[in-house]
Amino acid sequence: ETGVTQSPTHLIKTRGQQVTLRCSSQSGHNTVSWYQQALGQGPQFIFQYYREEENGRGNFPPRFSGLQFPNYSSELNVNALELDDSALYLCASSPDPGLASTDEQFFGPGTRLTVL
Amino acid sequence: AQSVTQLDSHVSVSEGTPVLLRCNYSSSYSPSLFWYVQHPNKGLQLLLKYTSAATLVKGINGFEAEFKKSETSFHLTKPSAHMSDAAEYFCVTTGGFKTIFGAGTRLFVKA
Repeated sequence: ETGVTQSPTHLIKTRGQQVTLRCSSQSGHNTVSWYQQALGQGPQFIFQYYREEENGRGNFPPRFSGLQFPNYSSELNVNALELDDSALYLCASSPDPGLASTDEQFFGPGTRLTVL
Repeated sequence: AQSVTQLDSHVSVSEGTPVLLRCNYSSSYSPSLFWYVQHPNKGLQLLLKYTSAATLVKGINGFEAEFKKSETSFHLTKPSAHMSDAAEYFCVTTGGFKTIFGAGTRLFVKA
């Protein structure tokens, strides 16, 4: 059973640029959630995707967008990068959106984004 | 709205002594509650979960937590700390399709 993987591991961008982060969910999982973890803080929920549709969103602006593909892998896109977007971005998968609420989510190691 | 508050940003214990990490929750209905651990440069790992079954929940690595509705608490405990327990711990709840993390408690374990 393959776990959740994320790419790239680290990324450096400049303010105003756009970035795409990728996540491969655990085998058999159709639900992916994305989180932003700023230094010294807990992860903040960005959004959740289920069967290629967004079905839950946190308090993030529209320049944070996502995609989920038929194989359930996912992308997080951030446009017009700001310095405050510097953070660890985590992806988590679960077998069902309902189970994401009551059961374990499986987290990837994260992508460290630095915006200069 | 659902939320969790971790009462301590840092906790320091000596190896072999008990661990207590405190979490209070706010929920309009019976919540799902979790504790996750994050070791440096590693992914988040589930320690235990409460989903309205037994109020005393046992997890991995000797950790357990007790759901107390009257106190709206879900504190994490371990009888004897080990050096490998040093990490960041997060109390987590869910609401709809959102997952809400507490701010985290950094556990230091002294030799």
